[in-house]
Amino acid sequence: EVQLVESGGGLVQPGGSLRLSCVASGFTFSNNWMNWVRQAPGKGLEWVANIKQDGSEKYYVDSVKGRFTISRDNAKNSLFLQMNSLRAEDTAVYYCARGKYGAKTCDIWGQGTMVTVSS
Amino acid sequence: QSALTQPASVSGSPGQSITISCTGTSGDGGGYKYVSWYQQHPGKAPKLMIYDVSKRPSGVSNRFSASKSGNTASLTISGLQAEDEADYYCLSYTSSSTYVFGTGTKVTVL
Repeated sequence: EVQLVESGGGLVQPGGSLRLSCVASGFTFSNNWMNWVRQAPGKGLEWVANIKQDGSEKYYVDSVKGRFTISRDNAKNSLFLQMNSLRAEDTAVYYCARGKYGAKTCDIWGQGTMVTVSS
Repeated sequence: QSALTQPASVSGSPGQSITISCTGTSGDGGGYKYVSWYQQHPGKAPKLMIYDVSKRPSGVSNRFSASKSGNTASLTISGLQAEDEADYYCLSYTSSSTYVFGTGTKVTVL
């Protein structure tokens, strides 16, 4: 079964850091772009970042540039999101999503991990 | 990277057809060559319903169809069913190799 499982969410103070992880199974992880997407409570979806199969290309939404870093470890079938200088507006459920091979979309999603930024 | 514009809500009776629009500038939408649609039920992860403007993934009902015209993409749900009540989002791949979502549409089955 194709599956993505996120972890690492929690409560953090403004200005703090958090590292999210996503472990993939059921497919060849190194064949796909990978993405992070977030959803603030009661709000819509927001694409955050993506990374190419070999990690050579990374792209971010403007609001997280310079604060968040996406990375991956293909040997461990894992995707990461290092989040620094966190703000209240970063509070959201963070989803890991697979880039569909041969298409520009996200086809498989994890269940999400909640990040709350509050003092 | 402004969000694409969708109507906040659309409603219809069982058996009817409804259409959700997704509008953005050509810059935001990357020319709309790559538009996807997602269904999201409360508390659940989004589910891919349409990709590459009009392609349906395996397992998605053929009651869901989509198209685009100019800078507007559209999702049509035919034969509306109670289980279709959910939030729907469009997603476009941009010319900057990033993605942008639509604002989301709540579909209510009357």
